[in-house]
Amino acid sequence: NAGVTQTPKFQVLKTGQSMTLQCAQDMNHNSMYWYRQDPGMGLRLIYYSASEGTTDKGEVPNGYNVSRLNKREFSLRLESAAPSQTSVYFCASSENYGNTIYFGEGSWLTVV
Amino acid sequence: QQQVKQSPQSLIVQKGGISIINCAYENTAFDYFPWYQQFPGKGPALLIAIRPDVSEKKEGRFTISFNKSAKQFSLHIMDSQPGDSATYFCAAFSRLGGNTPLVFGKGTRLSVIA
Repeated sequence: NAGVTQTPKFQVLKTGQSMTLQCAQDMNHNSMYWYRQDPGMGLRLIYYSASEGTTDKGEVPNGYNVSRLNKREFSLRLESAAPSQTSVYFCASSENYGNTIYFGEGSWLTVV
Repeated sequence: QQQVKQSPQSLIVQKGGISIINCAYENTAFDYFPWYQQFPGKGPALLIAIRPDVSEKKEGRFTISFNKSAKQFSLHIMDSQPGDSATYFCAAFSRLGGNTPLVFGKGTRLSVIA
């Protein structure tokens, strides 16, 4: 049982490049989330999708866009990467909004 | 605006000792308080959680103590082991919503030394 799967695991981008982080869950969860983790800052919510067909901004949405492709998949796009977006990104899901959140393994992104 | 304050940032405990991590919150609408454990290179995983209708919850060596009037909750790890070395995050959630479904503390890096 894979749970929450993120790709890629590691990525180096040049400033101004774009990229999409992919996320899929196989737990039939309704809600999905994207967090970023930075040293000393904890986990900060970028965007979330409480249910298929809806997306909402979290604490730090600037510079990102998301797409809830279907119930399983929730992607995060950086349109024009900036060094400030160097971070570890975690996708997560929960059965419903407010239930226990399950995290993926993380995607390490470096913007140079 | 940090809604959940976690301390200490780092903690070193001898094997067999008690590790204590504290969190405080301001939003009285929070009604679910989980703790997550994260090993290096991995995503956070739910360790234990409590709702404000109880003052303590114990699962094995891990105990959450909850003080509703003080708006504080803490994680106690009894008989700490080197395998407990990880980063621990407290979190809080309000079913009333808002734009942040789960608010995390900044984390505590625990090192258990033999």
